[in-house]
Amino acid sequence: NAGVMQNPRHLVRRRGQEARLRCSPMKGHSHVYWYRQLPEEGLKFMVYLQKENIIDESGMPKERFSAEFPKEGPSILRIQQVVRGDSAAYFCASSPGQGYSTEAFFGQGTRLTVV
Amino acid sequence: AQSVTQLDSQVPVFEEAPVELRCNYSSSVSVYLFWYVQYPNQGLQLLLKYLSGSTLVESINGFEAEFNKSQTSFHLRKPSVHISDTAEYFCAVSGFTGGGNKLTFGTGTQLKVEL
Repeated sequence: NAGVMQNPRHLVRRRGQEARLRCSPMKGHSHVYWYRQLPEEGLKFMVYLQKENIIDESGMPKERFSAEFPKEGPSILRIQQVVRGDSAAYFCASSPGQGYSTEAFFGQGTRLTVV
Repeated sequence: AQSVTQLDSQVPVFEEAPVELRCNYSSSVSVYLFWYVQYPNQGLQLLLKYLSGSTLVESINGFEAEFNKSQTSFHLRKPSVHISDTAEYFCAVSGFTGGGNKLTFGTGTQLKVEL
């Protein structure tokens, strides 16, 4: 059973370009969470999705950021018109259910560098 | 709202010495508590968790943590560390906030084990 797969592992974008980060959850998991880790900081929650639904996006910046988790395929975190401050590691986690005690499994992250 | 405080950003320790990484939390609801470990350029791996029952929880590699409700703490301890324990350790909480298994993380403690 493969773990949570994120790609690409490293992504370099010029200011103003778009960044697309992909996350394939573990087999059988229908809940996905995105977190952002800025340098020297802990992980900050961004968004929580179930298949075809955004459940909680309270941590998403209001502009330029969007997320989806379609019926088929991976979850996508999209950042439009990237700026230097978007440089960070973006982690995806998945869980099989929404029980509060359900363990979330993390991917290895995508490290975005904006130049 | 929930918050997690890890007061020590870095903890240097000699191999085979004991170590304690401190974690305090704040929450208006009941919480579940977690410790994650992150090795360089890797994702997060669950080290141990407290859900209910015994307040002392242990991991397979010798770490333990004790949930102290009155002090709102969940400190991580190991009686004898190894070089391979060098990593960043994150304390996290999740709770009954309607956000599924959304985690709130501390800022992390870098454990550096020296010979």
